[in-house]
Amino acid sequence: GAGVSQSPSNKVTEKGKDVELRCDPISGHTALYWYRQRLGQGLEFLIYFQGNSAPDKSGLPSDRFSAERTGESVSTLTIQRTQQEDSAVYLCASSPVGTGGTGELFFGEGSRLTVL
Amino acid sequence: SQQGEEDPQALSIQEGENATMNCSYKTSINNLQWYRQNSGRGLVHLILIRSNEREKHSGRLRVTLDTSKKSSSLLITASRAADTASYFCATTSAGSNYKLTFGKGTLLTVNP
Repeated sequence: GAGVSQSPSNKVTEKGKDVELRCDPISGHTALYWYRQRLGQGLEFLIYFQGNSAPDKSGLPSDRFSAERTGESVSTLTIQRTQQEDSAVYLCASSPVGTGGTGELFFGEGSRLTVL
Repeated sequence: SQQGEEDPQALSIQEGENATMNCSYKTSINNLQWYRQNSGRGLVHLILIRSNEREKHSGRLRVTLDTSKKSSSLLITASRAADTASYFCATTSAGSNYKLTFGKGTLLTVNP
């Protein structure tokens, strides 16, 4: 498909389990973002990847959260030892960053995580 | 921390009326964008306005930017029931041209 693809779309897990969320960006987009959105709230920045540069991890809320991206392809967000407060929609976005800086972000449909 | 703050938090209007949503931000920006979100899933980009622009139009959308007041407004004219959604403003700051920071959004309900 032509858009940003995320999987799974829904994930229910038990407290303490690890989860892995996947994002497949639009081909050719060098920038990739992960955001978290709690119910009824805005988007919290988690992490940013740009090409082969070191990622900006400043938004990761704890060391239980990590993310990887190989080159300009798929990214995975891993949450270890999940807690109930991790329940949220995790949104991935990609962008063809140009010389003028960030323009439009293209979002996936998100992965809704519920931690019981 | 949230850079943009939308106002109002919720807005309910009748079909055919205009809807105005406001966004305020705290630091100097490179650009400001508006996004729409249906049913709490993916966001769709609506319009981008650069810091040196004052007004921009796209179809039924009109965006204004006042950098002296650090504020922006989104006007949707002749609203339709299908415009019902949450609307978010997002900014990139002058010091970080890639990190897009979102506000908490305005929930717009257009009643048929």
